[in-house]
Amino acid sequence: QVQLQQSGPGMVKPSETLSLSCTVSDDSFSSYYWSWIRQPPGKGLEWIGYIYYNGSSNYKPSLKSRVTISIDTSKNQFSLKLSSVTAADTAVYYCARGRVVTIWGQGTMVTVSS
Amino acid sequence: EIVLTQSPGTLSLSPGERATLSCRASQSVSSNYLAWYQQKPDQAPRLLIYGASSRATGIPDRFRGSGSGTDFTLTISRLEPEDFAVYYCQQYGGSSPDIFGQGTKLEIK
Repeated sequence: QVQLQQSGPGMVKPSETLSLSCTVSDDSFSSYYWSWIRQPPGKGLEWIGYIYYNGSSNYKPSLKSRVTISIDTSKNQFSLKLSSVTAADTAVYYCARGRVVTIWGQGTMVTVSS
Repeated sequence: EIVLTQSPGTLSLSPGERATLSCRASQSVSSNYLAWYQQKPDQAPRLLIYGASSRATGIPDRFRGSGSGTDFTLTISRLEPEDFAVYYCQQYGGSSPDIFGQGTKLEIK
């Protein structure tokens, strides 16, 4: 069973850049879209964006100016960068396989606080 | 950008009853690229339905998705205790950004 292992800090200061990575445990990297989704405490799911193995990507319009999703096929890894964070970006961040998600990372609670 | 509106916000039912959850899109969902997820507290969501009506692997047949265009429904025929959770719909197709509905909480009456 493929697994997604997330890594990155659990706390980020306001105005700084949130950076998370997700490592895929098998060789399915070139077969799927790879997504990032977040969930603020007590709230619903929010789609952030996805990337395809060839590098093509799509982002939520309201986050587009601050988000970059990148991919490193040599490491079976994809990453999320979210710049200029505020308290509103505090959430559990999930990496996920597919646009219809069948496999999720373990989730990373990221708190934006000074 | 498509907006998905789920109703009701909260649904209170008893085990054994039938649950009907609605997801309405602000514009037509291309090729019925509409999915449903179930989320329990402190867990990642679980895919139930994709393509509006296809059950994901391992999902019991009491879960049924239906609809097309802008109106979609998730029906749970006979509620089991483990079905009480939050349910989200998601539009995921084509070149448009993906999006989730705001969720429906299914609670025990």
